[in-house]
Amino acid sequence: EVQLVESGGGLVQSGRSLRLSCEASGFTFEDYAMHWVRQAPGRGLEWVSGINWNSENTGYADSVKGRFTISRDNARNSLYLQMNSLRAEDTALYYCAKDKYSTWDAAFDIWGHGTMVTVSS
Amino acid sequence: DIVMTQSPDSLAVSLGERATINCKSSQSVLYRSYNKNYLAWYQQKPGQPPKLLIYWASTRESGVPDRFSGSGSGTDFTLTISSLQAEDVAVYYCQQYYSTPRVFGPGTKVDIK
Repeated sequence: EVQLVESGGGLVQSGRSLRLSCEASGFTFEDYAMHWVRQAPGRGLEWVSGINWNSENTGYADSVKGRFTISRDNARNSLYLQMNSLRAEDTALYYCAKDKYSTWDAAFDIWGHGTMVTVSS
Repeated sequence: DIVMTQSPDSLAVSLGERATINCKSSQSVLYRSYNKNYLAWYQQKPGQPPKLLIYWASTRESGVPDRFSGSGSGTDFTLTISSLQAEDVAVYYCQQYYSTPRVFGPGTKVDIK
């Protein structure tokens, strides 16, 4: 079964750091670009960051650029998001999502159930 | 950055009737070399992650009922539910994957009238 399972969320004070993880199974992880998408309570979807299959290309939303770092370990079938200098507005459910194709430019066909990050001010 | 807008914000449709959602991008998401529109539609039900419905603006994802269809090109796109079912109550989002950042539309909530 194709699956993405996020972990690492929690309650953290403003200004502190948190590292999210996403473990993939059921597909050849190293073949696909991966992304983080977040959803604040009661709000819409916001793309946060993406990384191509070999980590050579990464991208970030302006709202997190310089604070968040995406990475992956293909040997461990895992995606990560290092979040530094957290702010109250980073409070959201963070989803891990898989590109449909091996190219960097595709829709997101598999999503995890998310991990909640709450930043207290 | 490309800006995505959707209309309406919400709509209520009777069971069995047609629901139409519009999505507009601030610049074209048509990649002319491939003749493909880099536009996807997702469905999100309460308490669940988003689900891919349509990609390349009009290609239905495997397992998605054929009452869902996508159309449009360039900057204007439409998601149509031809005969609304109770299980279609959800928020629907469009997303462009033509460029980074991969912006989502604000969402359209679909309810039963």
